[in-house]
Amino acid sequence: EVQLLESGGNLVQPGGSLRLSCAASGFTFRDYAMAWVRQAPGKGLEWVSAFSGGGENTYYPDSVKGRFTISRDNSKNTLYLQMDNVRADDTAVYYCVKLSHVVVVTSTVYFDYWGQGTLVTVSS
Amino acid sequence: DIQMTQSPSSLSASMGDRVTITCRASQSIATYLNWYQQRPGKAPKVLIYAASNLQSGVPSRFSGSGSGTEFTLTITSLQPEDFATYYCQQSYSTPSITFGQGTRLDIK
Repeated sequence: EVQLLESGGNLVQPGGSLRLSCAASGFTFRDYAMAWVRQAPGKGLEWVSAFSGGGENTYYPDSVKGRFTISRDNSKNTLYLQMDNVRADDTAVYYCVKLSHVVVVTSTVYFDYWGQGTLVTVSS
Repeated sequence: DIQMTQSPSSLSASMGDRVTITCRASQSIATYLNWYQQRPGKAPKVLIYAASNLQSGVPSRFSGSGSGTEFTLTITSLQPEDFATYYCQQSYSTPSITFGQGTRLDIK
């Protein structure tokens, strides 16, 4: 059974930093791309980063590029999201998500498993 | 970025009803469209991938269709657990993945 367990969400001040972690189990972690998707309170879903499996390719939307860094440790089956210079509009539940393919850049990819999420609140 | 627009934004239906949710893309995305269900307080889960393919374990009362710029998600014979929010998502322009704004399905 695929399981994704996020941790690290917390209250952080604007301009501060936070690191989220996601412990994965139930599948061969290195063989799949992984991503973070967030959901602001009462709002929709927004993709915020992705990391290919079997390689070092990372991807970000403009809204977080230069502030967020996704990384993975295949020896620990763990995905990370380093969030720097956070803003109030980064407040959201952050989901760790497994992709259906090893690569991110393929039109047939979809998000096939989701963690339960971890809440990040940016406020002074 | 490709914009995804769902309609309606919300709807009310009764158990046993058939409902259809529409998703429109701002440009053609072939059949690279996925649907997700999110129950209150829970994580999303995939229902349909590549416009019409049912994800393993998803009940057959869910179906998807469409291509190009217009897509539909149909749920036949609504069950209590189907009352949730539904999102479409395009994967045509990966890595730039975008979601629709969501459609909330409530009990009438």
